[in-house]
Amino acid sequence: DAGITQSPRHKVTETGTPVTLRCHQTENHRYMYWYRQDPGHGLRLIHYSYGVKDTDKGEVSDGYSVSRSKTEDFLLTLESATSSQTSVYFCAISESMIGIGATQYFGPGTRLLVL
Amino acid sequence: AQTVTQSQPEMSVQEAETVTLSCTYDTSENNYYLFWYKQPPSRQMILVIRQEAYKQQNATENRFSVNFQKAAKSFSLKISDSQLGDTAMYFCAFMKLLSDSNYQLIWGAGTKLIIKP
Repeated sequence: DAGITQSPRHKVTETGTPVTLRCHQTENHRYMYWYRQDPGHGLRLIHYSYGVKDTDKGEVSDGYSVSRSKTEDFLLTLESATSSQTSVYFCAISESMIGIGATQYFGPGTRLLVL
Repeated sequence: AQTVTQSQPEMSVQEAETVTLSCTYDTSENNYYLFWYKQPPSRQMILVIRQEAYKQQNATENRFSVNFQKAAKSFSLKISDSQLGDTAMYFCAFMKLLSDSNYQLIWGAGTKLIIKP
C-alpha cells in the first residue's frame, strides 16, 4: 500500500469555522490531489498540486484553498465551513500525470460534518 | 463534455458467480487511460485494474478482467469466481487532459456490488 495518511480521520465542526485537513505521503510522489465524495457523484476534484508551491483548481474548488510547502504534505483549508461542505474528503498521489505513472493511490479519507 | 456513465446503481450475485459491471465514457481524445477502483465498506479506494487506450489487448488482474471496446467507448469490468470480499462500490474512471500535460480523473457515480453467500 502507498504510504498516504490523512488527518484528522473524522471531524465535526460548526458553520463558519475554518477547517484544515492534512494529507501526508512517504512516497515522494510529485502530484497530489484533493477530492470530495458525495452520494451519486463519485469523486470530484477540488484542487491538485504538481510540485511544491504549485497548485491548481479542480472542478469544485469554490470555498476551498490548498497549500503545499513540502513534497510530502498537502493541506486543504475550508476558510469558512458551510453545511454543503459536509462530505468525505480523499487525498490521492501519483508519480506523474501521463502514462502508467498517472495511476492515483488514495489515502483512507476524512469524514467531515459541518453543523 | 467528457463524462463517465455507470448505468447499474446496484447489482447482486451469488458467491462464485461471474459478474460484469458496465461503464461507458465520452471523449474526443485518441489516447487515454481508464481505471476501475473498488471501495469496500472500509471506504479505502483501491485500484483494481487499468487499461491504456492504445493497447488493443484487454487488461487482466487475476479474477478481474476488462472488456475494452474503444469504438463503442465501453469499458466493462468482469469479476470471475466472485468472493464475499468483492462486495464494494466499484468506480470507473477516465483520465481527461486538463491543460498542457496536466490530466484529471473523471469518475462515474459507482455501482454497488453485493456478493451473497
